[in-house]
Amino acid sequence: QLQLQESGPGLVKPSETLSLTCTVSGGSISSSSYYWGWIRQPPGKGLEWIGSIYYSGSTYYNPSLKSRVTISVDTSKNQFSLKLSSVTAADTAVYYCATDLVVPAAPPQLWFDPWGQGTLVTVSS
Amino acid sequence: QSVLTQPPSASGTPGQRVTISCSGSSSNIGSNTVNWYQQLPGTAPKLLIYSNNQRPSGVPDRFSGSKSGTSASLAISGLQSEDEADYYCAAWDDSLNGLFGGGTKLTVL
Repeated sequence: QLQLQESGPGLVKPSETLSLTCTVSGGSISSSSYYWGWIRQPPGKGLEWIGSIYYSGSTYYNPSLKSRVTISVDTSKNQFSLKLSSVTAADTAVYYCATDLVVPAAPPQLWFDPWGQGTLVTVSS
Repeated sequence: QSVLTQPPSASGTPGQRVTISCSGSSSNIGSNTVNWYQQLPGTAPKLLIYSNNQRPSGVPDRFSGSKSGTSASLAISGLQSEDEADYYCAAWDDSLNGLFGGGTKLTVL
């Protein structure tokens, strides 16, 4: 069964770029059955969808973050990545990667299962 | 302020049935499926209900989902102490945006 694990720096300075990687095990990131997504949760707050990518490279981004977000896939490493530029303290959050099952001819359904354990990223100087 | 509106809190006693609502609009719940997540303290969210009323393997049938128009509901019957958690609804919006509700904290009294 699929397992996901986030990795990356836990501390990022304001105005810099946050970079995280999600390593997929138990299955191929090149599968046509899944979208690969990023979701974040500020401390004590709710969930926010950041974006999703298909193995072919097609992406969907949260419009409120679109100008700062890039999600990409590395099929050789069975990983997908998140880059968020020009970060501020408001980007401090636990960042989760997750798998979303593809429904043919439909956009992401937000059927996220499974999830990684999450990684806390703090934006501070 | 989330586009999908949930009550911030809900409560019930063991054995009771509780429902959590999620209100949206024609561009999200009205035209796409609704999913529900359970988040226990300090853990990643877990998919509880997908496609309005489907339970993933392993989710007890005490949990059920429904949708009508631009609103959806999660019902938990036979409430247990281990059900104390945060619950989130989620739905795709036709503006090409994924939405989560603000979350409901369920307390088992």
